[in-house]
Amino acid sequence: GIQVEQSPPDLILQEGANSTLRCNFSDSVNNLQWFHQNPWGQLINLFYIPSGTKQNGRLSATTVATERYSLLYISSSQTTDSGVYFCAVDNYGQNFVFGPGTRLSVLP
Amino acid sequence: GAGVSQSPRYKVAKRGQDVALRCDPISGHVSLFWYQQALGQGPEFLTYFQNEAQLDKSGLPSDRFFAERPEGSVSTLKIQRTQQEDSAVYLCASSLNGGSYEQYFGPGTRLTVT
Repeated sequence: GIQVEQSPPDLILQEGANSTLRCNFSDSVNNLQWFHQNPWGQLINLFYIPSGTKQNGRLSATTVATERYSLLYISSSQTTDSGVYFCAVDNYGQNFVFGPGTRLSVLP
Repeated sequence: GAGVSQSPRYKVAKRGQDVALRCDPISGHVSLFWYQQALGQGPEFLTYFQNEAQLDKSGLPSDRFFAERPEGSVSTLKIQRTQQEDSAVYLCASSLNGGSYEQYFGPGTRLTVT
């Protein structure tokens, strides 16, 4: 089955810093989503982005499907950005495969 | 509108007990998915419904796990004779129609087996 890798596994930032999270996947996909799992465990949809670039406030994402990777950019980070960021992909199998996540800690 | 809801939010079961976890998808969503998330890991797929049809149950870890969606809306995940290794968060998600559409997740049910 498809393999999903995320880097870095852990990231510590000072409030106000920028960061880039990466997701690599091993096969073509028809769905890719980025999620933020908050400290209460809720998975919050950030982007539905099987290809192209999207922006939402301080967050933006780019997926280069032909090269099998996606990037999530966080600018001017805030303490509320802390949590785990997951990339999940579907390669025509009707279900998601999640990456292992990037754990982000933003310090005040 | 309302998102995906799950109940109960927390469940403690003694080893050997049966449990039933409920998921209410977003109204009008044809597809429903169940995932299991162990502590410190990403969610892992369990099973998938298209309306009332269970199209994929390849992720169910054993025959003690059973899921149903009899009327194509609410779904129940049942675990029989719970074991300690079943302790995890069980997440439900729904989408308009299949895996190529955006999936929306519920808050999860945290199951602890003692």
